[in-house]
Amino acid sequence: GDSVTQMEGPVTLSEEAFLTINCTYTATGYPSLFWYVQYPGEGLQLLLKATKADDKGSNKGFEATYRKETTSFHLEKGSVQVSDSAVYFCALSVTTGNQFYFGTGTSLTVIP
Amino acid sequence: DGGITQSPKYLFRKEGQNVTLSCEQNLNHDAMYWYRQDPGQGLRLIYYSQIVNDFQKGDIAEGYSVSREKKESFPLTVTSAQKNPTAFYLCASSTGGGRQETQYFGPGTRLLVL
Repeated sequence: GDSVTQMEGPVTLSEEAFLTINCTYTATGYPSLFWYVQYPGEGLQLLLKATKADDKGSNKGFEATYRKETTSFHLEKGSVQVSDSAVYFCALSVTTGNQFYFGTGTSLTVIP
Repeated sequence: DGGITQSPKYLFRKEGQNVTLSCEQNLNHDAMYWYRQDPGQGLRLIYYSQIVNDFQKGDIAEGYSVSREKKESFPLTVTSAQKNPTAFYLCASSTGGGRQETQYFGPGTRLLVL
């Protein structure tokens, strides 16, 4: 079935370090891929998305490229800030009912 | 401003009690969803609705019920049959137009058992 596998956390980085959070997926057909961010006690906010192979989604310095050959959608940021501390979820959407499948989330803490 | 509201922010349930979580959206979205989030886990789909007066079970529907009488509203009832209801509940909506559509989330309701 359709699923997403995310890098397990927690991840702790120093401010201005490089961030990579790995995400791979299994899907039938051609899914769309998403990264969401969740701050403590809040709902999920869309960070970026890509809807077809080789698309790059980007927002607030974060980037992810839809790689069909490796079934991956890794999240990267060149220089993290303390305000980036949150839980990050990778997700895919398939055609049937616009259902989403979420990864288990990766907790990121950035220390000054 | 358009968005999704959930109430209450915190809800306490006694043994054997049914409780209802509210979800309202003013985004004119056709599709709405309920998810359950447990600590350290991803989101699991409880129910979803693609159109008024119609809804489908998700992966963990047992012990829950929903209604969709209005496009804007999709309340979730946690029944006494749900033996482990303590969790963070998230409501979402989308245009329902297909796989490219983003789901937008409300701020969540945390349910605790007394």
